[in-house]
Amino acid sequence: DTAVSQTPKYLVTQMGNDKSIKCEQNLGHDTMYWYKQDSKKFLKIMFSYNNKELIINETVPNRFSPKSPDKAHLNLHINSLELGDSAVYFCASSQDEVTEAFFGQGTRLTVV
Amino acid sequence: AQSVTQLDSQVPVFEEAPVELRCNYSSSVSVYLFWYVQYPNQGLQLLLKYLSGSTLVKGINGFEAEFNKSQTSFHLRKPSVHISDTAEYFCAVQAFGNEKLTFGTGTRLTIIP
Repeated sequence: DTAVSQTPKYLVTQMGNDKSIKCEQNLGHDTMYWYKQDSKKFLKIMFSYNNKELIINETVPNRFSPKSPDKAHLNLHINSLELGDSAVYFCASSQDEVTEAFFGQGTRLTVV
Repeated sequence: AQSVTQLDSQVPVFEEAPVELRCNYSSSVSVYLFWYVQYPNQGLQLLLKYLSGSTLVKGINGFEAEFNKSQTSFHLRKPSVHISDTAEYFCAVQAFGNEKLTFGTGTRLTIIP
């Protein structure tokens, strides 16, 4: 029973396309996140939502728009994809600031 | 703002030898500290965390880490490594009252048979 699940696991698409990555957690956590891991394995937070409200919004292009229909889901929509968007995107969730963040398996996005 | 420095990008170690992966952090406020492990083509898994109390923290798979406030370090250790420990290890900090994790650049641990 997967705690944090992301779909799809792999995504190959052409420049200029619009794509979405879905994330669901069944842990009952209040907070969900999106992280980006670049080709050098560097991980950086993009967004954080708490009970469907945006809490953290790092310096991310406007082409990236998170959407949280309920506290168990946090989807990431990307418009006008660029080559530099190629990365592994991780969804995560946590109950609060002192409990660990649980990560999904990642979505490897390749823009060609 | 917080930052994390992992001094070694790659660490090769012989099987059954001890290992230490170094992590130093910088923060103007108090922080929580974490070590995560990423096995090939997988997500991140928490190894251990320091929130408060004893500075020596024990985690899963025989790993432990020691929080040293004066040296702003949180080095990860294991007395005897196994082939299955081959992975990428990430140190992370989180400021009190802030849910954002700031990660280091990772250390690739390679176990040599």
